[in-house]
Amino acid sequence: DTGVSQNPRHKITKRGQNVTFRCDPISEHNRLYWYRQTLGQGPEFLTYFQNEAQLEKSRLLSDRFSAERPKGSFSTLEIQRTEQGDSAMYLCASKAGEYEAFFGQGTRLTVV
Amino acid sequence: TQLLEQSPQFLSIQEGENLTVYCNSSSVFSSLQWYRQEPGEGPVLLVTVVTGGEVKKLKRLTFQFGDARKDSSLHITAAQPGDTGLYLCAGPRDTGRRALTFGSGTRLQVQP
Repeated sequence: DTGVSQNPRHKITKRGQNVTFRCDPISEHNRLYWYRQTLGQGPEFLTYFQNEAQLEKSRLLSDRFSAERPKGSFSTLEIQRTEQGDSAMYLCASKAGEYEAFFGQGTRLTVV
Repeated sequence: TQLLEQSPQFLSIQEGENLTVYCNSSSVFSSLQWYRQEPGEGPVLLVTVVTGGEVKKLKRLTFQFGDARKDSSLHITAAQPGDTGLYLCAGPRDTGRRALTFGSGTRLQVQP
């Protein structure tokens, strides 16, 4: 399968714990995006990488959130000291061209 | 701030009926995309419209981009249960990084 891969698919964590998600984009795609989607809403942009450089961060990305793409390939999104409001689907997307973004299946986070 | 408003929010119809969903903004977009998302999955791109007034057809789905590039519509002819899902419109954010801003979606249920 050469699509965008996200792991884990589901994560349940206790409030206050740290969690890390991984995204493996399509191999030749140099642009990688993270989005967050809550129930009943469309995805909201979190951050953008071009190769290994993080070029844009949304105001939604609080200090507890950090994202990396160390070698310009896979990316990780870490949430520290999780809160119940962090419960959402976290989506990763990659693209090479001007328009089409390919999304992964997402990681569903539940903070209890 | 660029906002995309979708209507209706929910639509439940019988198999064989036709329907239209709308995506509206007060901002001009260089392009708009339509995605379909099934529960627990990431969005899948259906179409990109680029030129004002453009009409694109994908089997029973017809997409139109408004002349002023501020709105778009998706028309489905003879809906089938397989069309069930969340339909999202999205356009590039005005930050130049080509991340997307999404509407909140139209949830379509087609009853057999």
